[in-house]
Amino acid sequence: QLQLQESGPGLLKPSETLSLTCIVSGGSISSSSYYWGWIRQPPGKGLEWITSIYYTGKSYNNPSLGSRVTTSVDTSKNQFSLKLNSVTAADTAVFYCARLARGTAVPGVTLDFWGQGALVTVSS
Amino acid sequence: QSALTQPRSVSGSPGQSVTISCAGANRDVGSYNYVSWYQQYPGRAPRLIIYDVIKRPSGVPDRFSGSKSGNTASLTISGLQAEDEADYYCCSYAGNYMVTFGGGTKLTVL
Repeated sequence: QLQLQESGPGLLKPSETLSLTCIVSGGSISSSSYYWGWIRQPPGKGLEWITSIYYTGKSYNNPSLGSRVTTSVDTSKNQFSLKLNSVTAADTAVFYCARLARGTAVPGVTLDFWGQGALVTVSS
Repeated sequence: QSALTQPRSVSGSPGQSVTISCAGANRDVGSYNYVSWYQQYPGRAPRLIIYDVIKRPSGVPDRFSGSKSGNTASLTISGLQAEDEADYYCCSYAGNYMVTFGGGTKLTVL
């Protein structure tokens, strides 16, 4: 059974860089059928797609986050990572990593497996 | 502000049916049959319950069904059970490698 596990610091100060890693087990991150992504959920609020990345390293970000987001993939370790720079209190959220199944002739469209989530709090 | 619009809350009694709407636009729901729905319990990760508008993953009861008309997708839960009380989110492919979520709907089983 596929499992995803987020890891990273849970507390940051404003202006710091958020760094999270998602370790994938029970399946290969190098599968051509899937993208891998990050989604966040502020406390008491809804879900927001942040980014998707393919095993080749090609990534696509939510335009609302602009150039603050960097993603990478390490196929040798079967994991992928997220960096979000210049964080503020508004970035406080539970961050989920997920697998996105591809559609026909389209990239990742269905989030079929999710990690348990990692709470990241930004506070001075 | 979410790109997809859902009612903030719906409710129903056990055994009844409820429908949650997800209003999008021609650039997302209206253009692609890649609408998915997720169930989320408090403090838990979302779980996929509907994908490709109408398909159910293995293990999801057939009480859950999806549909789409124009720019609006819908999730219907029939034979409502207490365990269905949760938050529900719709999601659509929006072109240019992006996916977008609805704001979420809280389902209360009376």
